[in-house]
Amino acid sequence: LAKTTQPISMDSYEGQEVNITCSHNNIATNDYITWYQQFPSQGPRFIIQGYKTKVTNEVASLFIPADRKSSTLSLPRVSLSDTAVYYCLVGDVFSGGYNKLIFGAGTRLAVHP
Amino acid sequence: DSGVTQTPKHLITATGQRVTLRCSPRSGDLSVYWYQQSLDQGLQFLIQYYNGEERAKGNILERFSAQQFPDLHSELNLSSLELGDSALYFCASSGGAAREGPYNEQFFGPGTRLTVL
Repeated sequence: LAKTTQPISMDSYEGQEVNITCSHNNIATNDYITWYQQFPSQGPRFIIQGYKTKVTNEVASLFIPADRKSSTLSLPRVSLSDTAVYYCLVGDVFSGGYNKLIFGAGTRLAVHP
Repeated sequence: DSGVTQTPKHLITATGQRVTLRCSPRSGDLSVYWYQQSLDQGLQFLIQYYNGEERAKGNILERFSAQQFPDLHSELNLSSLELGDSALYFCASSGGAAREGPYNEQFFGPGTRLTVL
């Protein structure tokens, strides 16, 4: 599984756009990039997943450059409720039938009034 | 609500004891995963079951064991408990079918908080 590097923490203010970048220099051809969100004392929640270019859903966008060695999670107009830990995961979820998620330390996002 | 249920929510026990944590996956999900989250080690994958069979193992101690029953619910058994086993234990489930999208999105339960005194 590719190793990921993301900032330990970030601060933002309500209404701003937040971009969290994850580096994954050793990403393999079959790897997908997935982001999860976790609130204190709750289980992680899937946010978005992509393979290349741009993916957008109702809560976020995921930008993946052509070389796929990094990805950026974009949260538009954050609110206080977006304060959470965000995890970037990279892997071929179908490799050998193994679907274990390898969570790193994640990025602690604090949104201020 | 993810659709995954875990019981109990809280568990307080003493060192050396044995406990069982229970997980019911989302309806229709065949895969169940167990994770441990402690303050100093983050979220660690323990083990995965798919349709009753062990599929993958992570950092699971020999004192821990798990199983998935024919009705697809799963139990995680922790024995000879130590202080360091105090943590949040999460269960997650996914469909497990190939190429469903988002690919193998895992749905996490609310967790069981285990405190070993």
